[in-house]
Amino acid sequence: DVKVTQSSRYLVKRTGEKVFLECVQDMDHENMFWYRQDPGLGLRLIYFSYDVKMKEKGDIPEGYSVSREKKERFSLILESASTNQTSMYLCAITGLAGYEQYFGPGTRLTVT
Amino acid sequence: EDQVTQSPEALRLQEGESSSLNCSYTVSGLRGLFWYRQDPGKGPEFLFTLYSAGEEKEKERLKATLTKKESFLHITAPKPEDSATYLCAVLGGGGTSYGKLTFGQGTILTVHP
Repeated sequence: DVKVTQSSRYLVKRTGEKVFLECVQDMDHENMFWYRQDPGLGLRLIYFSYDVKMKEKGDIPEGYSVSREKKERFSLILESASTNQTSMYLCAITGLAGYEQYFGPGTRLTVT
Repeated sequence: EDQVTQSPEALRLQEGESSSLNCSYTVSGLRGLFWYRQDPGKGPEFLFTLYSAGEEKEKERLKATLTKKESFLHITAPKPEDSATYLCAVLGGGGTSYGKLTFGQGTILTVHP
C-alpha cells in the first residue's frame, strides 16, 4: 500500500509566523504535490516537485515556497503566515503504475 | 485549459436507492480520468482510473463509466457508509504535466438509513 504521511493533523499559528508543513512518502515516487482545499473552491495546486531539488509552481503559489532535499520528503513553507492561509493542506504523490495520486491525511492549519 | 464540472453539487438518497453522479470534462487529449472518495476532515481516497471511452471499472457498489465527454459514477443500492464527497479529476495530454490533475468541485453524497 502507498503511504503518505503529513507532519501534523492540526496546527494553529499566529499571523507573521513562518510555518513548515512536511510530507513524507515511504516509496520511491518521483512526483509530489501540495494542495490546499477550501469550501466552494475545491482542491487547488500550490506547488509540485518531479525530482529532488526540482519544483514547479502550481495555480496558487503566492505566499508559499517548497523544499525537496530528499526524494521521500517534500516540505511546504509559509514564509509569513496570514489569516487567508487558514485551510486544509493536502500532500499527494503519483503512483508508480500510472498518474493516479495518493493523498496524505491532511493538515488543518488555522492562522490567527 | 482542462476543465471538470461535477453534478449535482449534493445528492441525498435513501438506503438502497440507486443513482449516478456525473463528471463532464473538457481536456486536450485525455490521458486519464480519476475518481476519488473523500470523508470529512480526511484526504481523498483513490477509487478508479479510466483511460478510454467505453471503459468501465467496478468496486463493491460503485461502477465508473467513461464516454468522450463525461464519466458517471453509478452507486447501486447505497448504504449510509457510502456517504462522502466524490471527486473527479482529469489528466490532459498538453505539455509536460508531470501528472498534474485538474479536479472538479465534487458531489456531496448523503445516504439516509
